[in-house]
Amino acid sequence: GAVVSQHPSRVICKSGTSVKIECRSLDFQATTMFWYRQFPKQSLMLMATSNEGSKATYEQGVEKDKFLINHASLTLSTLTVTSAHPEDSSFYICSARVRQGEAGELFFGEGSRLTVL
Amino acid sequence: KQEVTQIPAALSVPEGENLVLNCSFTDSAIYNLQWFRQDPGKGLTSLLLIQSSQREQTSGRLNASLDKSSGRSTLYIAASQPGDSATYLCAVRPSGGYQKVTFGTGTKLQVIP
Repeated sequence: GAVVSQHPSRVICKSGTSVKIECRSLDFQATTMFWYRQFPKQSLMLMATSNEGSKATYEQGVEKDKFLINHASLTLSTLTVTSAHPEDSSFYICSARVRQGEAGELFFGEGSRLTVL
Repeated sequence: KQEVTQIPAALSVPEGENLVLNCSFTDSAIYNLQWFRQDPGKGLTSLLLIQSSQREQTSGRLNASLDKSSGRSTLYIAASQPGDSATYLCAVRPSGGYQKVTFGTGTKLQVIP
């Protein structure tokens, strides 16, 4: 299957700093990428849908000024957690879909564990 | 609003057993259904994708079926192995051009050697 690379896999930062997480589709073009957050022992919570070249669509309750999403190319989307606080500590996962209108299979990155001290 | 339920929430079986995981969804207007596995602290690995027009898909020891009219999908794992231990998630994508999928609650599988 297609490969989605997510980096970094783990990051620890101080409260008040910003952290950027990258999501890359390595062997396909992803017109749409999704960012999820996962709490312990829970399923995935969709944060936002990112379409290449346009603004991300955020889910209700997700602060767009805090979680900045940029989808600058067909192979790269980034999530920046701004002014991070301990409550932002979580597991963040991205996924990518191969071209709208086709099979529409979703491929996921390995996830990024964020710990805010 | 689509709701996706997976039963059981947890399952423990001895190695070698065949097993079935269930996924139920409330809205049958779907584009496709996808099964994933997630290992602790990791992302999701795609196992099988079934389009709405298909009845089943097979990959190795895995077989997924889809009965859209009754809102059900099953994932059959043959001859289970300890390496199959993981959480299994189903995800339903709606028809009508929508992008978002709805994930099930997951089944945590433990295969005992």
